[in-house]
Amino acid sequence: NAGVTQTPKFQVLKTGQSMTLQCAQDMNHNSMYWYRQDPGMGLRLIYYSASEGTTDKGEVPNGYNVSRLNKREFSLRLESAAPSQTSVYFCAAQQVRDTEAFFGQGTRLTVV
Amino acid sequence: QKEVEQDPGPLSVPEGAIVSLNCTYSNSAFQYFMWYRQYSRKGPELLMYTYSSGNKEDGRFTAQVDKSSKYISLFIRDSQPSDSATYLCAMRANSGYSTLTFGKGTMLLVSP
Repeated sequence: NAGVTQTPKFQVLKTGQSMTLQCAQDMNHNSMYWYRQDPGMGLRLIYYSASEGTTDKGEVPNGYNVSRLNKREFSLRLESAAPSQTSVYFCAAQQVRDTEAFFGQGTRLTVV
Repeated sequence: QKEVEQDPGPLSVPEGAIVSLNCTYSNSAFQYFMWYRQYSRKGPELLMYTYSSGNKEDGRFTAQVDKSSKYISLFIRDSQPSDSATYLCAMRANSGYSTLTFGKGTMLLVSP
């Protein structure tokens, strides 16, 4: 049982390039999230999807877009990467009103 | 002022010590209080959660919530080197749908 799977695990981009981070969960949870984690900043919510077909902005949405492709998959897109987007990105899945969010292993992104 | 404040540490203790980790918060709507543990280069995992005020114990771990002071704590008894990790507090309201708000995380180092 894989839980939450993120791809890729590592990525280096040049400024201005675009890429999509993929996330898939096999727990049949309704809600999915994208966070970024930076030193000294903790986990900050970028976007979330409370249920299939809905997406909402979190605390730091600028420069990102998301797609809830189906119940299992939630992707994060950087259209024009900037060095400020260098971070570790985590995807999470959670059942609505549940207390536990299940996290993937993270994607380490460096923008040069 | 951020909604959740947490000292980032690092906190270094010898094996066997009692560890106290704390968070303060400002949003009185928070009702669910969680502690996540994150090992290096891994995603966070739920350690404990508490609803409203009170204490909860699980083995060597005790979570306390004081809503009147807007203060939560995690105590680790007989700390072990395997407890070395970053501990993140997280909170959410009890409204129909609410996202988690994380503290910055405290890095704990337990030396043998």
